[in-house]
Amino acid sequence: GQNIDQPTEMTATEGAIVQINCTYQTSGFNGLFWYQQHAGEAPTFLSYNVLDGLEEKGRFSSFLSRSKGYSYLLLKELQMKDSASYLCAAGWGGKLIFGQGTELSVKP
Amino acid sequence: GAVVSQHPSRVICKSGTSVKIECRSLDFQATTMFWYRQFPKQSLMLMATSNEGSKATYEQGVEKDKFLINHASLTLSTLTVTSAHPEDSSFYICSARDKTSGGAYEQYFGPGTRLTVT
Repeated sequence: GQNIDQPTEMTATEGAIVQINCTYQTSGFNGLFWYQQHAGEAPTFLSYNVLDGLEEKGRFSSFLSRSKGYSYLLLKELQMKDSASYLCAAGWGGKLIFGQGTELSVKP
Repeated sequence: GAVVSQHPSRVICKSGTSVKIECRSLDFQATTMFWYRQFPKQSLMLMATSNEGSKATYEQGVEKDKFLINHASLTLSTLTVTSAHPEDSSFYICSARDKTSGGAYEQYFGPGTRLTVT
C-alpha cells in the first residue's frame, strides 16, 4: 500500500524560511512531486525529485532521501502570495498518490 | 504550452440528474488522463485513470457505473456523474499526461469543476 504524511497546517512570517516535510511509504517508488494549490484552483507543479539530494528552483527547493522515505519543500523569502496548500505526491504505478496537503499561512 | 481546460468551471444540478464534465488538452496529445475529486480542505483523491481508446481503470471504492469516463480522443476525456446526490458535491479536477513527454509521471492539471448537487 501507499501512505503519505505531511503536517496539516503551518504558519510562517513574511520574509522567513519555512520547511514542509513529507514522509512516504510506498511499495515501489518513482519519484516525489511537490505542488502548490490555491483555494479553488488546480495544483501547479513546483518540483520533482527522483534521486537523493536537493533540487533548487529559485525560492523553492526540494530534498529527497529515498532510504528514509522523506522529502521536504523549502520556501525562502516568504511572500504573502505563498499562502496556499502544498501537496506532496509520490509516483507509483504510473499514478500520483497525494498526501493530505499542508496549509501554509504567511503572516506579515 | 501544456494547457488543460475543463468545462464547465461550475455547475449546479438537482439530485437525481446527471452531469458531464469535459477535460481537454489544448496544445498536446494526452494518451492518459486522470480524474481526481477533492473535498474541502482535503487532498486530491484519484478516482480513475483514463487511456485513449480503452476502458478507464477505477480506484478502489469508486463506482464505475456512477462515474462514467470516456476518453474518445487524444485530447478529450469526459466524466459523467450519473444520478447525482448531494454527497457528490465536490471539486473535480482532471489532469493529462503528454504523449511525447519523457516524464512518466508528469501531469498537467485542469482548473477544476465545482459541482454542487441540490
